[in-house]
Amino acid sequence: EAGVAQSPRYKIIEKRQSVAFWCNPISGHATLYWYQQILGQGPKLLIQFQNNGVVDDSQLPKDRFSAERLKGVDSTLKIQPAKLEDSAVYLCASSSISGPFQGLAFFGQGTRLTVV
Amino acid sequence: AQRVTQPEKLLSVFKGAPVELKCNYSYSGSPELFWYVQYSRQRLQLLLRHISRESIKGFTADLNKGETSFHLKKPFAQEEDSAMYYCALRSGGYNKLIFGAGTRLAVHP
Repeated sequence: EAGVAQSPRYKIIEKRQSVAFWCNPISGHATLYWYQQILGQGPKLLIQFQNNGVVDDSQLPKDRFSAERLKGVDSTLKIQPAKLEDSAVYLCASSSISGPFQGLAFFGQGTRLTVV
Repeated sequence: AQRVTQPEKLLSVFKGAPVELKCNYSYSGSPELFWYVQYSRQRLQLLLRHISRESIKGFTADLNKGETSFHLKKPFAQEEDSAMYYCALRSGGYNKLIFGAGTRLAVHP
C-alpha cells in the first residue's frame, strides 16, 4: 500500500516568513499525527487528529502554529511567523483505529525546514 | 507524567558484539511500548512492539514493569544495524505516541 506522503521535502525560509506543510496519510487511517524533530532530539508530538477532530494539541505553539485536517483526510501544518528555533524536521504519521495494525503509526519522509 | 528516557546518545560496537539499547519509561497505567528505527536517508519505521513478543532482524525487547524498562537487545550486531533507534510509549484512549530522544547505534567492521 502507498505510504504517508509529505511535501515539500525541504524548505528554506527567512525568519518571520510563513510556511505550510502538507500530508496525505495512508488511505483509511483515521488518526493523523504531526511531530517536530529538532536535530539531536526525538520526535515531539505537536498535534493529533482523529478523523477531522483534534484530540491532542497540548504541545502546539498556538500563537504561531496551526493545523487543519479538512474532510478527515489530508492535513496541512502552518507556521506564521517562523522563528529560527522552528528549524527542524516535521514528520507526519498516520494510524488506523481498527484491525491488526490498530494504533501502529506509519511515518512519512518528513519535511526539513531551515529558518535563516 | 508520561516520559520515555534513552540514556545513551551513541552506542558504538564492533560487528559480532552483543548490543543492548536502553529504554526506561514512566507511565501510571499499562503501557504499550515500541521500538522504531531510522536508517540513513529512510523514514522512521516500526521495528517491534512489546505485545507481539517477536524477534525482528534478530532484535528482541522485553517489557519489565518492575524496572519500567524496555531494553532492545541483539546477540550479534551487524553493520547494517547501524541506525537511529527510538523507544516509544503509547498511552491514553487516543493512542498518543511519545518518543525518547533516540540512540545512535554504530556497528564497526
